[in-house]
Amino acid sequence: DGGITQSPKYLFRKEGQNVTLSCEQNLNHDAMYWYRQDPGQGLRLIYYSQIVNDFQKGDIAEGYSVSREKKESFPLTVTSAQKNPTAFYLCASSIGLAGSQYFGPGTRLTVL
Amino acid sequence: AQTVTQSQPEMSVQEAETVTLSCTYDTSESNYYLFWYKQPPSRQMILVIRQEAYKQQNATENRFSVNFQKAAKSFSLKISDSQLGDTAMYFCAFMKHETSGSRLTFGEGTQLTVNP
Repeated sequence: DGGITQSPKYLFRKEGQNVTLSCEQNLNHDAMYWYRQDPGQGLRLIYYSQIVNDFQKGDIAEGYSVSREKKESFPLTVTSAQKNPTAFYLCASSIGLAGSQYFGPGTRLTVL
Repeated sequence: AQTVTQSQPEMSVQEAETVTLSCTYDTSESNYYLFWYKQPPSRQMILVIRQEAYKQQNATENRFSVNFQKAAKSFSLKISDSQLGDTAMYFCAFMKHETSGSRLTFGEGTQLTVNP
């Protein structure tokens, strides 16, 4: 089955720790994206990548980092510099610049 | 910067009836794309429908159709023969081409409840 997978589904972090959220796709899509969703709100773009070894900051990149070493994978690291990391994180991918974005199931991150 | 506004935080409809969700956007671009996404309680974002701004014909996907008014910058979603499974948060989204990548800008969402 082709699709986008995110792991883990739920993640708990202590303050001061870095955590990495996984996103993998087997759709052969070139572009991948990370969004954050807070309760009762729409999605906000954190980072995106159009090709391997290249990525761009989105609207709320502070406190986050990414890598794109493989076409299929786009992990997101939430660093200790992120002041309010508790949120729902969604990964998406698209076939190209004009392609529709398709989403993974999401990861719920809670800071204890 | 583009903005997307959904003025209806909540709506409800009876099963089998028709409902229309509103969306307006602000942009100076002439070439762009508009989307409706559905987020059920599972929180998975599901693409419902897509509209290219250069197309005059309104997009349709089974029971879902849009009313795209480019001059008015309006993009409403009509759901016909509503089903219980349509209960979800619906997000309107805008996308323009950029050389560095295509970014989605989302509205705040409309919570739709379909009642039996």
